[in-house]
Amino acid sequence: GENVEQHPSTLSVQEGDSAVIKCTYSDSASNYFPWYKQELGKRPQLIIDIRSNVGEKKDQRIAVTLNKTAKHFSLHITETQPEDSAVYFCAASISGRDDKIIFGKGTRLHILP
Amino acid sequence: DADVTQTPRNRITKTGKRIMLECSQTKGHDRMYWYRQDPGLGLRLIYYSFDVKDINKGEISDGYSVSRQAQAKFSLSLESAIPNQTALYFCATSDPGQGGNEKLFFGSGTQLSVL
Repeated sequence: GENVEQHPSTLSVQEGDSAVIKCTYSDSASNYFPWYKQELGKRPQLIIDIRSNVGEKKDQRIAVTLNKTAKHFSLHITETQPEDSAVYFCAASISGRDDKIIFGKGTRLHILP
Repeated sequence: DADVTQTPRNRITKTGKRIMLECSQTKGHDRMYWYRQDPGLGLRLIYYSFDVKDINKGEISDGYSVSRQAQAKFSLSLESAIPNQTALYFCATSDPGQGGNEKLFFGSGTQLSVL
């Protein structure tokens, strides 16, 4: 089955700097890659997703890139702000087949003042 | 979202007890999921259901069972709870529709402690 590896497990960046979280997946048939953000004590919420037919997607300060050949994808957060502090999860699924969404182990992002 | 409701919010039980976690949704979604969250291990899929007659095992189904009583209800049972089932449990729904939007909507979670 699908396996998603996520790095780093913890990341600290100065406010205003950029943060990058990286994930790899094992099943070359995976074609849908969402990212979820979980604030302390809250439920995970989708922040951005990308499909295998595109290489990059941006939404304001957040961007995701996908390299299908290498089977890895990354989340980029620019101009980080205190409210970006949270746990971020990457995930992968095979949309249109079994559709189950498998998550990475998460990255705890700390934004330092 | 308030549209995905989990009960109870917190539960403390003893080893060997049978326990049921319940999830109901008013979103009209066909797909429902149960995940457990452990520190450092992320969200792991236990079971998922794409309609009332469809039940599928996820990554870690051993020791768990589920029941899809209706489109809106999906229950998770621990037949004989053990301490390593202590975790935060999330129910989620999705509705891909024709657009293929697999966005998951999570409930607020159930914190289960097995003593």
